Amino acid sequence: SQQGEEDPQALSIQEGENATMNCSYKTSINNLQWYRQNSGRGLVHLILIRSNEREKHSGRLRVTLDTSKKSSSLLITASRAADTASYFCATRAGANSKLTFGKGITLSVRP
Amino acid sequence: NAGVTQTPKFQVLKTGQSMTLQCAQDMNHEYMSWYRQDPGMGLRLIHYSVGAGITDQGEVPNGYNVSRSTTEDFPLRLLSAAPSQTSVYFCASSLSGQGVEGYTFGSGTRLTVV
Repeated sequence: SQQGEEDPQALSIQEGENATMNCSYKTSINNLQWYRQNSGRGLVHLILIRSNEREKHSGRLRVTLDTSKKSSSLLITASRAADTASYFCATRAGANSKLTFGKGITLSVRP
Repeated sequence: NAGVTQTPKFQVLKTGQSMTLQCAQDMNHEYMSWYRQDPGMGLRLIHYSVGAGITDQGEVPNGYNVSRSTTEDFPLRLLSAAPSQTSVYFCASSLSGQGVEGYTFGSGTRLTVV
């Protein structure tokens, strides 16, 4: 059963623009993670944010977490054609629970 | 470091055949898991292991077996393949099962059952 649900399902932007993707979840979490998947490849871990954190940065990535709204957003600044991929949020409810993935967002960055 | 290695990359099976999908990691990760990815379904957990000799079921375990005799290897066995098992299979590992770090994924095995 999916815990996280990403929004929108698909996003198309111009190179240089910012891309914002959202994830909502249903139950309390221990942490939330974002992954990228290029076509035909495995998932790559991008960033992890813990439940007691509100914002985290990694290069051009900015992740926010609002536990009161049970939602997270991933911002990619100054997007590049190479950012074209599917992006997944994944949540972990507790120390002994497993990572549950959403269905993903398809991001297309037009050159 | 090779990371997580999955073999084969592609496989076509006939209904009723059995096969083993191989997964190996060289990072000394304790936690290993198998997911399947289907269009519109995201990734669903099949089986996982928190260490050698320990395995447990995930969300969709029926039709699959696993074992973990070493830290490095975590093979997934399809006992009697069915068309519903047509999917892309990913093996993933992490240093611990505590969820404080991200997973490392293999490149996947694309399986078609005819």
